[in-house]
Amino acid sequence: AQSVTQLGSHVSVSEGALVLLRCNYSSSVPPYLFWYVQYPNQGLQLLLKYTSAATLVKGINGFEAEFKKSETSFHLTKPSAHMSDAAEYFCAVSDGGNEKLTFGTGTRLTIIP
Amino acid sequence: SAVISQKPSRDICQRGTSLTIQCQVDSQVTMMFWYRQQPGQSLTLIATANQGSEATYESGFVIDKFPISRPNLTFSTLTVSNMSPEDSSIYLCSVAKGLRAFFGQGTRLTVV
Repeated sequence: AQSVTQLGSHVSVSEGALVLLRCNYSSSVPPYLFWYVQYPNQGLQLLLKYTSAATLVKGINGFEAEFKKSETSFHLTKPSAHMSDAAEYFCAVSDGGNEKLTFGTGTRLTIIP
Repeated sequence: SAVISQKPSRDICQRGTSLTIQCQVDSQVTMMFWYRQQPGQSLTLIATANQGSEATYESGFVIDKFPISRPNLTFSTLTVSNMSPEDSSIYLCSVAKGLRAFFGQGTRLTVV
C-alpha cells in the first residue's frame, strides 16, 4: 500500500523567504511522486512530478522538489515566496502504471507581506 | 470536511457505449471538479461543475464527449460517451471547500 504524509497543515512564510513544504511517502515499489497546487476556488494544477528520472525536479512558478530515496521524502521548495503562492499544496504518490494517486492531506501556504 | 461517495468504483465497458459516474457529497458545495488519470499519468482536470450553470471544460475536453450534470449542491454526474479504449482511465470527483480539496475514491474504467 502507498501513503503520503505532509508535515504541517499550515505553513506561513514572509514574502521573499524560502518556501519549504514537506512530504514523506511510503511505497512498496519505486514511486511516482507529484505536487499539486490548488488556488482558491480552482481545481488542482500539477506543479511537478517525479517519475524515476532526475532526482531534482523543476516545476512551474519557480518550484522544485528533490526525491530522496534514503529519506523517503519529496519536499517542495521555492527560494523566494511571492504573494501569489498562497494556496493549498498537495503531495501525491502513485505506484506507477495503472495505480491511482494517493494524496496527502494538504498544506495551506500563507504568505506574510 | 467533506465525504464523497463516488460510484461505480470500477467498470469494464464495450467500446461505443456510455458510462455515467455519480458523485455524492455529504454537504453542500459550490464547486465540483472532475478529473481523469490516464495510466501512468498525473491527474488532469476535465471540467468544473457549478450548480445551476453549464460546466466549464478544460482545453481538450468537450461537452459532447463528457456531459456533466449538476442538479443540486450535493450531487454531480460525469458521462463518458461513445467510449473507446483511449478512455480507459481513472475518473475522480473532487470538491473544494474554500482552500481545501476533498476527493472521491475514483472510478477505474476499462474500455474493451
